Amino acid sequence: DAGVTQSPTHLIKTRGQQVTLRCSPKSGHDTVSWYQQALGQGPQFIFQYYEEEERQRGNFPDRFSGHQFPNYSSELNVNALLLGDSALYLCASSLDTGRMNTEAFFGQGTRLTVV
Amino acid sequence: DQQVKQNSPSLSVQEGRISILNCDYTNSMFDYFLWYKKYPAEGPTFLISISSIKDKNEDGRFTVFLNKSAKHLSLHIVPSQPGDSAVYFCAASRYGGSQGNLIFGKGTKLSVKP
Repeated sequence: DAGVTQSPTHLIKTRGQQVTLRCSPKSGHDTVSWYQQALGQGPQFIFQYYEEEERQRGNFPDRFSGHQFPNYSSELNVNALLLGDSALYLCASSLDTGRMNTEAFFGQGTRLTVV
Repeated sequence: DQQVKQNSPSLSVQEGRISILNCDYTNSMFDYFLWYKKYPAEGPTFLISISSIKDKNEDGRFTVFLNKSAKHLSLHIVPSQPGDSAVYFCAASRYGGSQGNLIFGKGTKLSVKP
């Protein structure tokens, strides 16, 4: 059973460029969340997608946008990259059963370096 | 404003002994708490969770304790093994975690020495 897969694993971009990161959720999961983990920090919630809609959003600027496809996979787009966007980007998937207490499963992350 | 705090950046424990990792939170609306373990070059792996209606949850060598009045939780690992060496993140959420918006602490790096 494939878990959460992210691509690419590493990426180097120049300041001002745009980047797209991809995530395939764990089989059977329908909800995808994105997190940013800066060096020495815990993951920070960016947004969550469910039924192809952004359901919740953290404290990130509009330069961060996303998309969810009918097969539940998701993309994270970041425009006008800043040096401070350099971080590990984590995708987490879960299943919305409507009940309490669902655990999120994380991918291995995409390491983005902005130079 | 950090809502979930792990005040110990690192912890070193001898193999076979107990490891205790601590976490404090400030938001009384949190009702679901989780611990994740992270190895280098891997994503966080879910370890154990606890609902705010409980004060203890056990899973094998791992036990999480929740003290709501003190807004404090702890993870006990007994006995500690070298393979437990990793960064441990405490996370909290509202709505029973079903919304998926997890608030993480900065992590504690656990080193278990043989």
